[in-house]
Amino acid sequence: DVKVTQSSRYLVKRTGEKVFLECVQDMDHENMFWYRQDPGLGLRLIYFSYDVKMKEKGDIPEGYSVSREKKERFSLILESASTNQTSMYLCASKGGSGMTDTQYFGPGTRLTVL
Amino acid sequence: GQNIDQPTEMTATEGAIVQINCTYQTSGFNGLFWYQQHAGEAPTFLSYNVLDGLEEKGRFSSFLSRSKGYSYLLLKELQMKDSASYLCAVTDSNYQLIWGAGTKLIIKP
Repeated sequence: DVKVTQSSRYLVKRTGEKVFLECVQDMDHENMFWYRQDPGLGLRLIYFSYDVKMKEKGDIPEGYSVSREKKERFSLILESASTNQTSMYLCASKGGSGMTDTQYFGPGTRLTVL
Repeated sequence: GQNIDQPTEMTATEGAIVQINCTYQTSGFNGLFWYQQHAGEAPTFLSYNVLDGLEEKGRFSSFLSRSKGYSYLLLKELQMKDSASYLCAVTDSNYQLIWGAGTKLIIKP
């Protein structure tokens, strides 16, 4: 069974704080993704990584950065949290580069920025 | 621009059949996924279609028409545990997943 874990289920931070969200997968997948999910909107891709130390911007990278120092771990960083970053953050991983490879999701982190 | 449309919410009765539609306009097409997401939980994979036609998997079936930019997810013999959001996602020409906003399905006894 593929397992993707995220460091926190719920997180409350204050405006201006630096926030780290961590994601770990145990299936030796090359590809990892960070999304945010907001009511009425589809999943929006923030960043993805197809290999260690490699990263690519998604659709909404502004205000975020990422780090992938080890294959199993992909971190999302909010350098200076703002209230409009209050959201559900979902991490996913996928093996290989085939079209049919399914993305496996972590349980999500619900972040509230006050 | 890229766009995926699904109904926001649907209601159905336990034991019945429901069809959730998805239409898409994307730059290229390399397959369509359906995911299920229970409230507060992660999305989980349901089905994948890349060729036209119907894929059946137990109580769930998924249909694709590439010429119409259209798919549907068919759920039979509905159970209360099927209450969830159903997400449609399309892989575009860059092999990136474009997600719909999801359809919240409410099952009533």
